[in-house]
Amino acid sequence: DTAVSQTPKYLVTQMGNDKSIKCEQNLGHDTMYWYKQDSKKFLKIMFSYNNKELIINETVPNRFSPKSPDKAHLNLHINSLELGDSAVYFCASSLGGGQFFGPGTRLTVL
Amino acid sequence: DQQVKQNSPSLSVQEGRISILNCDYTNSMFDYFLWYKKYPAEGPTFLISISSIKDKNEDGRFTVFLNKSAKHLSLHIVPSQPGDSAVYFCAASAAGGGADGLTFGKGTHLIIQP
Repeated sequence: DTAVSQTPKYLVTQMGNDKSIKCEQNLGHDTMYWYKQDSKKFLKIMFSYNNKELIINETVPNRFSPKSPDKAHLNLHINSLELGDSAVYFCASSLGGGQFFGPGTRLTVL
Repeated sequence: DQQVKQNSPSLSVQEGRISILNCDYTNSMFDYFLWYKKYPAEGPTFLISISSIKDKNEDGRFTVFLNKSAKHLSLHIVPSQPGDSAVYFCAASAAGGGADGLTFGKGTHLIIQP
């Protein structure tokens, strides 16, 4: 009965690879988000999707692309991974008001 | 350019006493403020929020105060319990908590001592 779930929880990969992180919410929310928490522990918004339309793209490299097959899912695809992409990525959802976060995916690029 | 600032990286409080976590913001367009609690290896958990039309919101042991003129908000936890030990993030939105993303502070690590 997890509200916002992400897979995988940990992801270790080589530079240059392409990877995806999946996110699902069962709250019936209409907006989903991706955040990045870097080594300095800052949580920063990357994308938000509302009714399958991209609303925000905060200076994120175009190697990152969100894909929303339906209202309950927002997956994050990353192409040509770089060392600086190593971080914890959090998915979140909201219906307006507070956002509910997933457990995070720790991505390590070697 | 940090628009949301939590100037205390850590705070130690005795069990049973009041914990006060502070947050300052610079963006006058922010109209919705939230506090999140985060345990290691977990996602942030929503605690409490306040709209800019209010100056106080209370939920059980948690109270958030907003001083718009000072661009300052605080979270009071009373009485503090061992399970409150976590990192607390202040966050703000310029869209009334709608579809915009949140701007977070760097967090304050609250340690409740027995």
